[in-house]
Amino acid sequence: AQSVTQLDSQVPVFEEAPVELRCNYSSSVSVYLFWYVQYPNQGLQLLLKYLSGSTLVKGINGFEAEFNKSQTSFHLRKPSVHISDTAEYFCAVSPRSNDYKLSFGAGTTVTVRA
Amino acid sequence: GAVVSQHPSRVICKSGTSVKIECRSLDFQATTMFWYRQFPKQSLMLMATSNEGSKATYEQGVEKDKFLINHASLTLSTLTVTSAHPEDSSFYICSAREWGEETQYFGPGTRLLVL
Repeated sequence: AQSVTQLDSQVPVFEEAPVELRCNYSSSVSVYLFWYVQYPNQGLQLLLKYLSGSTLVKGINGFEAEFNKSQTSFHLRKPSVHISDTAEYFCAVSPRSNDYKLSFGAGTTVTVRA
Repeated sequence: GAVVSQHPSRVICKSGTSVKIECRSLDFQATTMFWYRQFPKQSLMLMATSNEGSKATYEQGVEKDKFLINHASLTLSTLTVTSAHPEDSSFYICSAREWGEETQYFGPGTRLLVL
């Protein structure tokens, strides 16, 4: 089984400031790692994913994340946020197996202020 | 990118009636579809996994007779909430995955309100 911990439930940040959202996971098997964003009353949109290879992954909208196997972390960063980045962010993992079931963290609410 | 649609986006129904929600993959063949439930300010809770042509696999605590799932084609899965009650009011989200792909693509969600 897998579990995901998002260390910050709410992150307020000023426009054009950097932001980091922390995610740690535990699993007895190898996993794939994902970050999704959810805007109000909408479904989830894939921001980025780590499957293999380079541990620094770049995604859409200027986001990037770094996989750290020894620390079992997959933190999400953006160097300069916009008002439009206000949303809920979910970290998720799935086992490298046929069912690919996702286990989600509790989510981090990012509020960007002018 | 892969697109998943859901219909309807919102539905209001009376207690005791049944509601059907459709989930479609628009530009790929979804061999596996997942149904989630999300309560306000909370994360997604997986309800069931369905593979095309097979019976759905339900997560522990989810009533299979209450939440009927059909995945009859590679582009369509349906969730029917039978004899809905106010406690079934929630945001239901589906996702779809193509065979051999590790990524799930999510629909926009359906807001169900049972009066």
